[in-house]
Amino acid sequence: GESVGLHLPTLSVQEGDNSIINCAYSNSASDYFIWYKQESGKGPQFIIDIRSNMDKRQGQRVTVLLNKTVKHLSLQIAATQPGDSAVYFCAENKNRRQAGTALIFGKGTTLSVSS
Amino acid sequence: DAGVTQSPTHLIKTRGQQVTLRCSPKSGHDTVSWYQQALGQGPQFIFQYYEEEERQRGNFPDRFSGHQFPNYSSELNVNALLLGDSALYLCASSGSDEQFFGPGTRLTVL
Repeated sequence: GESVGLHLPTLSVQEGDNSIINCAYSNSASDYFIWYKQESGKGPQFIIDIRSNMDKRQGQRVTVLLNKTVKHLSLQIAATQPGDSAVYFCAENKNRRQAGTALIFGKGTTLSVSS
Repeated sequence: DAGVTQSPTHLIKTRGQQVTLRCSPKSGHDTVSWYQQALGQGPQFIFQYYEEEERQRGNFPDRFSGHQFPNYSSELNVNALLLGDSALYLCASSGSDEQFFGPGTRLTVL
């Protein structure tokens, strides 16, 4: 079926380490991917997005990599901080050109950062 | 610039009752989407409104209905509540790019 999944439900790192959160998707027609961060009791917060015509995109301390050959997406967080502790979701949008088309979310990875 | 706002924050209902949740989109956004997030799960798409019409719908029964007003705000209605409807209901607004989420409404059905 069509789904967006994550490889690991939890990830624990030390403060200052780099974190890598992975996501596999199954729909080759998807052309837009987004990473969200969700803290306890809050709605998902946009982190970074990438379109299918790109392989890599960088933001502030974050990098998203897209490997369309193996349908794999990853989020890299540099110098992880305690404030990065949250649940991270990747989401898939099949047709970005239609503004606001439904997002398909995976189950999420819980990132825990210890100091 | 206010982001996406939702009301109420929390709500407790009993089985069989009806509930209405409200959402005001981010300024400049004309599209509103609703998602249901069960505990420990990712959000599931319910439906999306644009120009006051339902443009797309996920795999939810007809008990879930919605509305969009001329000012782009939106309501989500759920009839004949079931215990399984207990969840965080998220509203997201978008213009031409990414979707911004509100804080959600926590619905508990007893």
